[in-house]
Amino acid sequence: QSVLTQPPSASGTPGQRVTISCSGSSSNIGSNTVNWYQQLPGTAPKLLIYSNNQRPSGVPDRFSGSKSGTSASLAISGLQSEDEADYYCAAWDDSLNGPGVFGGGTKLTVL
Amino acid sequence: EVQLVESGGGLVQPGGSLKLSCAASGFTFSGSAMHWVRQASGKGLEWVGRIRSKANSYATAYAASVKGRFTISRDDSKNTAYLQMNSLKTEDTAVYYCTADYYDSSGYAECGYWGQGTLVTVSS
Repeated sequence: QSVLTQPPSASGTPGQRVTISCSGSSSNIGSNTVNWYQQLPGTAPKLLIYSNNQRPSGVPDRFSGSKSGTSASLAISGLQSEDEADYYCAAWDDSLNGPGVFGGGTKLTVL
Repeated sequence: EVQLVESGGGLVQPGGSLKLSCAASGFTFSGSAMHWVRQASGKGLEWVGRIRSKANSYATAYAASVKGRFTISRDDSKNTAYLQMNSLKTEDTAVYYCTADYYDSSGYAECGYWGQGTLVTVSS
């Protein structure tokens, strides 16, 4: 059971806009920023969004992030077939269990 | 170009030990926190622990699942981070990734850059 809760799957057709949610608590998302990662099949995760809504250089502006209270969201607009991947949210947690927590991941399928 | 190359993975028996290395290049290693994250086959990501920079007193932190068994260290002169794993359990079987900080004009992110990972299999 992951500390951050994501839907296990999401889907969309090319060109559509999809969103993936990430729910946490006051000790993680509520008090720290959120990162999002994309993991293509057979590869290492890649930073997609950091500090809730910042895109690293090279990440298309089709990807955007937001945060409100103890939840965060990743939005992908103009969906493309190459966006089919697993997506993970992550945040630091102020509890005693250790500072790093990930969501369980969302598998995005492009229909 | 930032590069992180993990090594040292392999097959080990339950109760055994293994030490992973993460060789870094392309950025100022001494100024970066280094984290380890693992992923069991077909499963999600699990944060293992981190070591901060000298400026942050080389502070370490660990996930509850590995605390007391795993130790993270670093050698800034060799641009290398390490993960010493003792008292290994079958549930420690996973691909282990090391990560480094990402910086740009908008800010920074811990776990911004990732290596390709090294597989650790704990089995008798």
